[in-house]
Amino acid sequence: NAGVTQTPKFRVLKTGQSMTLLCAQDMNHEYMYWYRQDPGMGLRLIHYSVGEGTTAKGEVPDGYNVSRLKKQNFLLGLESAAPSQTSVYFCASSYGGTGSYEQYFGPGTRLTVT
Amino acid sequence: QKEVEQDPGPLSVPEGAIVSLNCTYSNSAFQYFMWYRQYSRKGPELLMYTYSSGNKEDGRFTAQVDKSSKYISLFIRDSQPSDSATYLCAIWGNNRLAFGKGNQVVVIP
Repeated sequence: NAGVTQTPKFRVLKTGQSMTLLCAQDMNHEYMYWYRQDPGMGLRLIHYSVGEGTTAKGEVPDGYNVSRLKKQNFLLGLESAAPSQTSVYFCASSYGGTGSYEQYFGPGTRLTVT
Repeated sequence: QKEVEQDPGPLSVPEGAIVSLNCTYSNSAFQYFMWYRQYSRKGPELLMYTYSSGNKEDGRFTAQVDKSSKYISLFIRDSQPSDSATYLCAIWGNNRLAFGKGNQVVVIP
C-alpha cells in the first residue's frame, strides 16, 4: 500500500498563476482533508470531504477550491496564487465517523508563491 | 479563544531525560484527544489517542487527559535521539481535528 500520496512535492508559482495539487489514497477511506502548515500557526484545515462528490469548508478556505470526483482522489486548486499561500500543504484521509480522529497524512507539497 | 492552545516553544533535552509536553483546550464537547508526531519534512503520524480522563501508556510514552481542567499532556520517558521531532496535540470534535501549534523536541545524544 502506498498510503496517501501527493503530487507535486515542490512547486514555485508566480503571483496570479493557478495550479492543482493532487492527493490520492489507496486505503478506501471515506474522508479526505487538505491542510496547510505554516511556522508558528500549526496545521489548519482548508477543505474536507466526507465522501465522493461532497466537499465542505474548513478553517481557512478562502482562495482555494476542491473537488472529489473519485473516492480515492482529492484535488486542491489555487485559481490565482498569492504570496500568502506560500506554505506546506498536507493531504490526509480517514475511515470516517468516530474513526476520523486517526488521520493518515501524505508527505506534503511545498509551495512557494513569488 | 483558540480551540487548542500549545506553547510552540522548542525543547532540547539530553538523552535519557523525561520530556513533558502539554496543551489546553476550550470546548468540553470534544471527545478524543491525540498526539501526533511529525519528523522533519514528513507528514504527521498518530502517536497516541485517548477518549477518557486518566493515563494511557504505550512503551516509553504516556498520554494524560484531565477533562475537568481541559488539559492534555504527553510524557516521554528515557528519551532517545530518534524521538527528535515535532509533537502536535489534537482534539476531535464537530467532525474534524483541531491541532495545537506543535512543540519541536530535540534529544541530544
